[in-house]
Amino acid sequence: DSGVTQTPKHLITATGQRVTLRCSPRSGDLSVYWYQQSLDQGLQFLIQYYNGEERAKGNILERFSAQQFPDLHSELNLSSLELGDSALYFCASSVAGTRFVADTQYFGPGTRLTVL
Amino acid sequence: AQTVTQSQPEMSVQEAETVTLSCTYDTSESDYYLFWYKQPPSRQMILVIRQEAYKQQNATENRFSVNFQKAAKSFSLKISDSQLGDAAMYFCAYVMEYGNKLVFGAGTILRVKS
Repeated sequence: DSGVTQTPKHLITATGQRVTLRCSPRSGDLSVYWYQQSLDQGLQFLIQYYNGEERAKGNILERFSAQQFPDLHSELNLSSLELGDSALYFCASSVAGTRFVADTQYFGPGTRLTVL
Repeated sequence: AQTVTQSQPEMSVQEAETVTLSCTYDTSESDYYLFWYKQPPSRQMILVIRQEAYKQQNATENRFSVNFQKAAKSFSLKISDSQLGDAAMYFCAYVMEYGNKLVFGAGTILRVKS
């Protein structure tokens, strides 16, 4: 158990819908990262938040957004869902992850999203 | 852009034997970090081992060790005394020293035969 929690474990929805994935980092970690794992694209970095502020962006679609709250939990919002958005979405956390140091990232169990 | 290549889509090893998984990466940075993560059938991503590029000594964690060749940009994982529980997908990953995102390879499926 990494100490990172994600809810829900599974999510099944229809095209065009909107969903919210939730992540709670390990106690003491200030950074939260979101990754998408799909069969065709592999593991891809989406976005990072550090202590409530967006720190880095990867290949995140405009239909996707995220935020980190004062209690440091994070939510990833996916809207106007398409079949191709079906994937495993991971949250990871690290102690700092600022641009001055690269911390080890610990992953949550993931949320499996299925878009029908 | 940094890339990570795992050239072995699948490997097999007999229980109690040793297996080596290969990883190469491409970067123009001099300082960075490399990781091996394990993803068992449960899909959980589990950290196996970490290597700092500035350290010449190869990292070890119990039965897991790496062979880090900085000049060759190679980072292989050796698993000794393989166990059934080692069966998983293994991902090699890279992050810049002042970076945020992990860049992953495509993964190697490891099968352990009893």
